[in-house]
Amino acid sequence: QVQLQESGPGLVKPSETLSLTCTVSGGSVSSGNYYWSWIRQPPGKGLEWIGYIYFSGTTNYNPSLKSRVTISVDTSKNQFSLNLSSVTAADTAVYYCARAINWGSRAMNVWGQGTTVTVSS
Amino acid sequence: EIVLTQSPGTLSLSPGDRAALSCRASQSVISSYLVWYQQKPGQAPRLLIYGASTRATGIPDRFSGSVSGTDFTLTISRLESEDFAVYYCQHYGSSSGITFGQGTRLDIK
Repeated sequence: QVQLQESGPGLVKPSETLSLTCTVSGGSVSSGNYYWSWIRQPPGKGLEWIGYIYFSGTTNYNPSLKSRVTISVDTSKNQFSLNLSSVTAADTAVYYCARAINWGSRAMNVWGQGTTVTVSS
Repeated sequence: EIVLTQSPGTLSLSPGDRAALSCRASQSVISSYLVWYQQKPGQAPRLLIYGASTRATGIPDRFSGSVSGTDFTLTISRLESEDFAVYYCQHYGSSSGITFGQGTRLDIK
C-alpha cells in the first residue's frame, strides 16, 4: 500500500527557510487521482493545512501562509517538497505530508508519520 | 472564510457509552465536503468519515456521520477503549482551501 515519509532538518534558525521532502512509496505522485499535501501541528495544538500540489504542478496554499510557502513536486524521484521561508518560533510544529483525494472534500486518506521541526537559534 | 467550531472541547465518557461530537460551520457549506479524522497521541491523524457520512476503508460501523444544515455530528455508537482520542473535522472550500476544526478530546471517564 502507499506509504509517505517526511524527511528534513529537525532544527531551523529563525528567519531561515524550512525545507522538507515527502517520499512516496507503493504509489506514484504522478497519479491524477490525488493531491499531495502538507499539514502541520504545533505542540499541543490542532491541525493546520499548509497547502497541496497536483502532479502537474498546480498548487493551492493556505491564504494565511501563502506569502511564505512553496510546494513542488519531483515526479522522477516520486517526491514532493515544502519550503517555508522566514520562519519564526511560531512555525515550530510536527509537519505531516498526506495524500488527498482530488475531488470533493479533499479528504486525506494516507499520512506520513510526521517530522518535528523546531525553530530556534 | 469558513470557521469550523467543534464542541465540546473535551468529552469524558465510559466504554460502552454513546458519543456525539459536534462540528458547526460558520456559514453554509457543501455538506459532502466535510471530513472527520481521529488522532491518537504521537500518531498521525486517521481518516474516519468523508462526504459527511461515508466511512473510510476499514473504519468500524460504530462510527457514523450526519448533517443538519451547518451542524455536523460524528457519532460513536458504543465506545471501545481504542476510541479515546482527539477528533477533528475538516472542510474544503474553493476560496479558503482546507480548514480544520480545533478538535474534540474524547477522554475515558
